[in-house]
Amino acid sequence: AQSVAQPEDQVNVAEGNPLTVKCTYSVSGNPYLFWYVQYPNRGLQFLLKYITGDNLVKGSYGFEAEFNKSQTSFHLKKPSALVSDSALYFCAVRDTGRDDKIIFGKGTRLHILP
Amino acid sequence: EAQVTQNPRYLITVTGKKLTVTCSQNMNHEYMSWYRQDPGLGLRQIYYSMNVEVTDKGDVPEGYKVSRKEKRNFPLILESPSPNQTSLYFCASTSFSGTYNEQFFGPGTRLTVL
Repeated sequence: AQSVAQPEDQVNVAEGNPLTVKCTYSVSGNPYLFWYVQYPNRGLQFLLKYITGDNLVKGSYGFEAEFNKSQTSFHLKKPSALVSDSALYFCAVRDTGRDDKIIFGKGTRLHILP
Repeated sequence: EAQVTQNPRYLITVTGKKLTVTCSQNMNHEYMSWYRQDPGLGLRQIYYSMNVEVTDKGDVPEGYKVSRKEKRNFPLILESPSPNQTSLYFCASTSFSGTYNEQFFGPGTRLTVL
């Protein structure tokens, strides 16, 4: 069955340091992968996606993610964290080998410390 | 302005009293979906619709109904709400245009069932 794992419930990073939010997935076909961010009392906002092509994907607010097929991972990264990056981050996958369901991870809360 | 709207934003009801949460999008998107967000569980897909008159179950469809009579609207119906349906609900939409694009999310509906 398709699934998404975000192994860290919370990640703490000092402002200015690089950050990584981890995501691994399991699908039967090829994956479509997405990252979303949720700020307090708001809906989810799209950050970036991998459909095909370059393994390194750049998105909004300086975020990027690297698709690694052999490790079935799609980690979210940013070279220099800002306090305003503090939010809840979700990884999502659609399995092209199956139906049209979209599966989300449980979310990782990112705290950027001033 | 491109957007997904949901109503109501907040709702407190009692067990067994039928309710409907409306969702509407103005982007002519084919795909619409309902999710519930619960602490520690992330987002779970309830139902989705690929187009008018086409709906499918997500991962947690029990206790919910949906309909897609018009492209822009995708209401979520709880025929007999129970306390375990207390949650934060999000509607989302996306277009296909040859590939799967990112979803646009509504602002959320916080439902409490007493």
